[in-house]
Amino acid sequence: GQQLNQSPQSMFIQEGEDVSMNCTSSSIFNTWLWYKQDPGEGPVLLIALYKAGELTSNGRLTAQFGITRKDSFLNISASIPSDVGIYFCAGHRGNAGNMLTFGGGTRLMVKP
Amino acid sequence: KAGVTQTPRYLIKTRGQQVTLSCSPISGHRSVSWYQQTPGQGLQFLFEYFSETQRNKGNFPGRFSGRQFSNSRSEMNVSTLELGDSALYLCASLNADRGEQYFGPGTRLTVT
Repeated sequence: GQQLNQSPQSMFIQEGEDVSMNCTSSSIFNTWLWYKQDPGEGPVLLIALYKAGELTSNGRLTAQFGITRKDSFLNISASIPSDVGIYFCAGHRGNAGNMLTFGGGTRLMVKP
Repeated sequence: KAGVTQTPRYLIKTRGQQVTLSCSPISGHRSVSWYQQTPGQGLQFLFEYFSETQRNKGNFPGRFSGRQFSNSRSEMNVSTLELGDSALYLCASLNADRGEQYFGPGTRLTVT
């Protein structure tokens, strides 16, 4: 199935470091969502973005909706061990129905 | 509010059998979407139900089907199971006001 291009695929960082990951698409999305998934659990919604250029924060997380509506990035500042998990971006086109298209995920590992 | 619930959490079936998975959305949410998650293909959209009607369908064979009841609870059915159907099946309910999808914990299906 179609996926968004998410990078990097994995990151292994030191506790306290900042993290950046992004998603790109060849087509436009009207909404970008960022999720975190822990092993054996469903994805948990972190941030939702609705307007091109929008910058939204949720605690140590900051996400931006690209101006072209074809990309988005997520930053995590001052990473902590509980940030470990897989982060997914998802795009929604805003047409009838609510199908999300997902990126391949970024696996984040944090070394204490 | 209680979150999205899915039952059962784990299931082991043999090839050729059929399986039914259940999802109860967040109270007040009328849209339920189903996704399949595998290591190779990532998160892929199966179908969406709204007010007991299938509104969107992904690119999966007819062995995959679903339905929604008047209380918004949804079930998905997979008939004639194949080894490749082994996956985490996720259900998501939609906050229509904000366009945000919230996922349940998933049902881990193993086909032997």
